Amino acid sequence: NAGVMQNPRHLVRRRGQEARLRCSPVKGHSHVYWYRQLPEEGLKFMVYLQKENIIDESGMPKERFSAEFPKEGPSILRIQQVVRGDSAAYFCASSFRGGENSNQPQHFGDGTRLSIL
Amino acid sequence: KQEVTQIPAALSVPEGENLVLNCSFTDSAIYNLQWFRQDPGKGLTSLLLIQSSQREQTSGRLNASLDKSSGRSTLYIAASQPGDSATYLCAVCGSARQLTFGSGTQLTVLP
Repeated sequence: NAGVMQNPRHLVRRRGQEARLRCSPVKGHSHVYWYRQLPEEGLKFMVYLQKENIIDESGMPKERFSAEFPKEGPSILRIQQVVRGDSAAYFCASSFRGGENSNQPQHFGDGTRLSIL
Repeated sequence: KQEVTQIPAALSVPEGENLVLNCSFTDSAIYNLQWFRQDPGKGLTSLLLIQSSQREQTSGRLNASLDKSSGRSTLYIAASQPGDSATYLCAVCGSARQLTFGSGTQLTVLP
């Protein structure tokens, strides 16, 4: 009965490096969402994926950020050429069905705290 | 664009008090509303989910209400305990299927 698993819990990168954040959804969940919590700000939606498809990436910066949810394996949020402003907590959530099924909650992981030196 | 507001931003109460946290949203076309709890440095724990067709949900000492037409929800916590100290987040799920979060209410229950 594992919940949403995110790793690493903490990630330190230098400016210009790449950051890869992993998310394994609840077993049986095929919908994954990524959110970002900047220091002193609320959580903001970034991207919504189903297996092998990006459904909505309206909250994700157009450059340097990408996300995938392959048929096998975890969902990956990738940040290229990181900058100081990318420092934040990145949370992944999963649900059994999409949010339009009104009784389906999103279950959250403990997040990855990314620090850019 | 959906906007979610939570009032108050911070609340400090003595142990044993009943309290109410407020959440308002601008677009009433929602599928559901979730209340979460977030402890410092931790993830989000889902407390209650209210479907758009429902008026309230209860779990233990927690009761959440939803008035979709006025764009409001309240979270009622009965007989508060120091272990209830955390940040409480309200989030609405709309047609885009993403959650839009409020900024949270930071609750401190004093022993």
